[in-house]
Amino acid sequence: GAVVSQHPSRVICKSGTSVKIECRSLDFQATTMFWYRQFPKQSLMLMATSNEGSKATYEQGVEKDKFLINHASLTLSTLTVTSAHPEDSSFYICSATLAGGITDTQYFGPGTRLTVL
Amino acid sequence: AQKITQTQPGMFVQEKEAVTLDCTYDTSDPSYGLFWYKQPSSGEMIFLIYQGSYDQQNATEGRYSLNFQKARKSANLVISASQLGDSAMYFCAMREGLEARTSYGKLTFGQGTILTVHP
Repeated sequence: GAVVSQHPSRVICKSGTSVKIECRSLDFQATTMFWYRQFPKQSLMLMATSNEGSKATYEQGVEKDKFLINHASLTLSTLTVTSAHPEDSSFYICSATLAGGITDTQYFGPGTRLTVL
Repeated sequence: AQKITQTQPGMFVQEKEAVTLDCTYDTSDPSYGLFWYKQPSSGEMIFLIYQGSYDQQNATEGRYSLNFQKARKSANLVISASQLGDSAMYFCAMREGLEARTSYGKLTFGQGTILTVHP
């Protein structure tokens, strides 16, 4: 149980285009999903908290208009990188929280590697 | 100040031996949770173990155990009987505050430790 998928796993795009990344909880419902960004050999940096049916909460320094988040259902959140530029190239990882048990645990997707040319 | 500090950028261990990965944390909130995740070269983050701030006993999960020393604010991960497949990056993370037990709590990650297991 507690499987989170991401699509696509890898994307290469031209500068100026928009890229959509999907995050799905496959076998559980998640009212809250998180989006992280990770540079090579570095830690995960939280970008935003995505809540089903409401607007996402962005971390300080993250541009809302640049990184659009839509949490359409209890199993799907999408991150759209608008007008992507080379500096947006990174590894993007989502997580979904499985409630219950000892604590609510965040389970992560396999990540999406974005390369902007 | 760093909320989660992992002071070991890299660690090496011989197969079948035990290894300890260090993690110290900083919070003034009495309610918090500590997590360890493993990230292999493929990139996915794998949840390993959890310790709550009010838990009286150290958490254990198979070959993983968490050496929780609350007064010293440390939550070291101990991996017993290391295997080649344990080679990966390991992250310590904390969720603090009233949201420590809910779905809304954000995780703060440490810098990570790269573990290499030698045959």
